[in-house]
Amino acid sequence: DAKTTQPPSMDCAEGRAANLPCNHSTISGNEYVYWYRQIHSQGPQYIIHGLKNNETNEMASLIITEDRKSSTLILPHATLRDTAVYYCIPRNTGNQFYFGTGTSLTVIP
Amino acid sequence: GAVVSQHPSWVICKSGTSVKIECRSLDFQATTMFWYRQFPKQSLMLMATSNEGSKATYEQGVEKDKFLINHASLTLSTLTVTSAHPEDSSFYICSAPRPGAGMNTEAFFGQGTRLTVV
Repeated sequence: DAKTTQPPSMDCAEGRAANLPCNHSTISGNEYVYWYRQIHSQGPQYIIHGLKNNETNEMASLIITEDRKSSTLILPHATLRDTAVYYCIPRNTGNQFYFGTGTSLTVIP
Repeated sequence: GAVVSQHPSWVICKSGTSVKIECRSLDFQATTMFWYRQFPKQSLMLMATSNEGSKATYEQGVEKDKFLINHASLTLSTLTVTSAHPEDSSFYICSAPRPGAGMNTEAFFGQGTRLTVV
């Protein structure tokens, strides 16, 4: 499975867009990019995933570069409840998810 | 929607005793479940893959005799921490893949179990 690099921490003003980058330069052709988040002392929560095309759902947007070596998760209007650790996870065939160190996002009032 | 539930949410046990943690898939069947461990300020570490009707598959470095996994039904997997010691104190989390689709689907995670060994 591909390794990932994410900034350890980020701050975002409440109401502004939060853009969380992830580098996955060794991603293979059949690995999807998944994003999860974990609020303190809870289980991870699924956000979004994609292969090549940009994706959007009710929670976030996922932008994947054309070479697929990096992606950005966008929370369009961050709220205080979005404060969490965000994990970018390239996932190969099969069902295991291997978590990296993630980005700790703090939304500031 | 599909939910994964763990029980108990937290447990305190004495050193040397065994503790069982249950992971249930609610409203869906899961032939595969996953067990993770998370130490404070660290990421989730995959411990093992639980397979219904067969032996679990353990990640490298995880002691299979210490962390017993049983997946006796399509909705229940259990993790038993045997002869627990203080260093086993951790947050244990299970997950199950979303049903009804292929391999590229998301997984649902339980709320986690906080184990404290004293």
